[in-house]
Amino acid sequence: DQQVKQNSPSLSVQEGRISILNCDYTNSMFDYFLWYKKYPAEGPTFLISISSIKDKNEDGRFTVFLNKSAKHLSLHIVPSQPGDSAVYFCAASAGFGNEKLTFGTGTRLTIIP
Amino acid sequence: DTEVTQTPKHLVMGMTNKKSLKCEQHMGHRAMYWYKQKAKKPPELMFVYSYEKLSINESVPSRFSPECPNSSLLNLHLHALQPEDSALYLCASSPKGVADTGAQYFGPGTRLLVL
Repeated sequence: DQQVKQNSPSLSVQEGRISILNCDYTNSMFDYFLWYKKYPAEGPTFLISISSIKDKNEDGRFTVFLNKSAKHLSLHIVPSQPGDSAVYFCAASAGFGNEKLTFGTGTRLTIIP
Repeated sequence: DTEVTQTPKHLVMGMTNKKSLKCEQHMGHRAMYWYKQKAKKPPELMFVYSYEKLSINESVPSRFSPECPNSSLLNLHLHALQPEDSALYLCASSPKGVADTGAQYFGPGTRLLVL
């Protein structure tokens, strides 16, 4: 029972363009969402998060959008850079600071120079 | 010091061996976590220690035994593992209370191979 899904296993984007990574969830108790980036042979690195009281959160080139009614969130990266090539995981929890994070299956993003 | 460190980076062990994985953080975080990640899968939570007490055990087999000697250290003791336990073992930590950011911060992982 995959409660957090990333339906695109991979995505290729031209350098300088916008990368959009999508994530869907099924558990209506989830109200805090995070995005992590993972390079090979490294642990996941926290990128950005959003609480369900917001529908958008921005940090530099990264913006996360949350559509609660659709149980959908997306991560926008603008402009995309070669160093953004990595696997991106979305994660969800039932409450800010809840110790139990549920991760999606990941999307491999490749930025084409 | 803003990182989580894990040792060793790689570990090969036989099914009868006993070994330990070590995790350390000096960020003052009071929650520490063990995750297991298989290839092309998301990280799966194994254990959580909150204020040095075990708060979550996700029905992990007893051949995995966690230990939290103090607020900076987290160990995972391994005994009589099976080949299917081969995976990347990730440690994470997070602040608690007023310092809580809502995020967990991960170490680089230990890649374990059980023969």
